[in-house]
Amino acid sequence: EDQVTQSPEALRLQEGESSSLNCSYTVSGLRGLFWYRQDPGKGPEFLFTLYSAGEEKEKERLKATLTKKESFLHITAPKPEDSATYLCAVQAAGDYKLSFGAGTTVTVRA
Amino acid sequence: DVKVTQSSRYLVKRTGEKVFLECVQDMDHENMFWYRQDPGLGLRLIYFSYDVKMKEKGDIPEGYSVSREKKERFSLILESASTNQTSMYLCASSFNNEQFFGPGTRLTVL
Repeated sequence: EDQVTQSPEALRLQEGESSSLNCSYTVSGLRGLFWYRQDPGKGPEFLFTLYSAGEEKEKERLKATLTKKESFLHITAPKPEDSATYLCAVQAAGDYKLSFGAGTTVTVRA
Repeated sequence: DVKVTQSSRYLVKRTGEKVFLECVQDMDHENMFWYRQDPGLGLRLIYFSYDVKMKEKGDIPEGYSVSREKKERFSLILESASTNQTSMYLCASSFNNEQFFGPGTRLTVL
């Protein structure tokens, strides 16, 4: 069974204080690893897909990296508008569905 | 822009009632999904559909059924609502493995 574990559960940052979120996974043949952002009371919003170890993707202050066992979401010089819950999900080869982690809630104080 | 809409943002029902949650997508996507999201548990897949009239059970299908009569519409049915089905319900459709989510329906069963 696919498993996704995200850490920490919650992260409080000062504006400008860079940090990283971790997503550890076990899956029988990775088809893709996905990062989503979710604001309170809203549906998740797609951020990145990573397909193979060594791959990196960037979007504004966010950078996602992938190894064979985990992915990191780096937040560089965060701003208060980066406050959200960040979700990680994996998709196994030949499967339609995604298996999600419980998320990391990031709060950035001005 | 992909748009996934859900029929209600908030819903309150009584134990034993039959509940219909509707989801519509406007991008001709083949695959559609229903998840529930609970604190600390993340998103859990209830059912998904990879074509009209085709459906497959996800990880937690008990107490739920689905209907997909048209490509753009995927309905989740609670045959007899129970208090443990109080949750946030999220619908998604996908293209190229990227899932697009609706805004969610917060269902409370009293």
